[in-house]
Amino acid sequence: GAVVSQHPSWVICKSGTSVKIECRSLDFQATTMFWYRQFPKQSLMLMATSNEGSKATYEQGVEKDKFLINHASLTLSTLTVTSAHPEDSSFYICSAKTGFRYGYTFGSGTRLTVV
Amino acid sequence: GESVGLHLPTLSVQEGDNSIINCAYSNSASDYFIWYKQESGKGPQFIIDIRSNMDKRQGQRVTVLLNKTVKHLSLQIAATQPGDSAVYFCAETDWGGATNKLIFGTGTLLAVQP
Repeated sequence: GAVVSQHPSWVICKSGTSVKIECRSLDFQATTMFWYRQFPKQSLMLMATSNEGSKATYEQGVEKDKFLINHASLTLSTLTVTSAHPEDSSFYICSAKTGFRYGYTFGSGTRLTVV
Repeated sequence: GESVGLHLPTLSVQEGDNSIINCAYSNSASDYFIWYKQESGKGPQFIIDIRSNMDKRQGQRVTVLLNKTVKHLSLQIAATQPGDSAVYFCAETDWGGATNKLIFGTGTLLAVQP
């Protein structure tokens, strides 16, 4: 149980375009989801906390207008990278708080490459 | 954002040896801690967790130790195998708090030599 499906697993886009990443909880309802960003050989950096039916809470230094988060249902949260630039190329990972023993379940990540 | 590491420390061990990976956490209010394993190109995989009312917890081949006095966690892997090679992260959260944000440590690359 407690599976989080994230897609796409990888995407290549041109500079200036927008990319949407989806994160779905398959067998539980996720009131809260988290979005992380990870650069090569570095740790996961929390970008924002997504709460169903309300605005996301962004961490300091994360541009809310660039990284749009929507959590319109209890099973789906989306991250849209707007006007992408090469420096936005990274590995993006979502996580849902399950409330079960394992606490948090992670998606498999999305490798974004902006060219 | 929080918890950005610039370099991954590496621990190199021989197959069959025991591994000990250490982690210092930052928030005194954190009361729930989790160790994750991450393989290249994948999301973090749960290994073991521990709550702040415990100082030791054992799983299959893994043991987590928690020292709240010095805000230190360790992960012990017994009889390390080549399949254990990955990056290991500790993570902390204030489970009963308002946000339940899960914050990751810097991470350690475990390299198992056959």
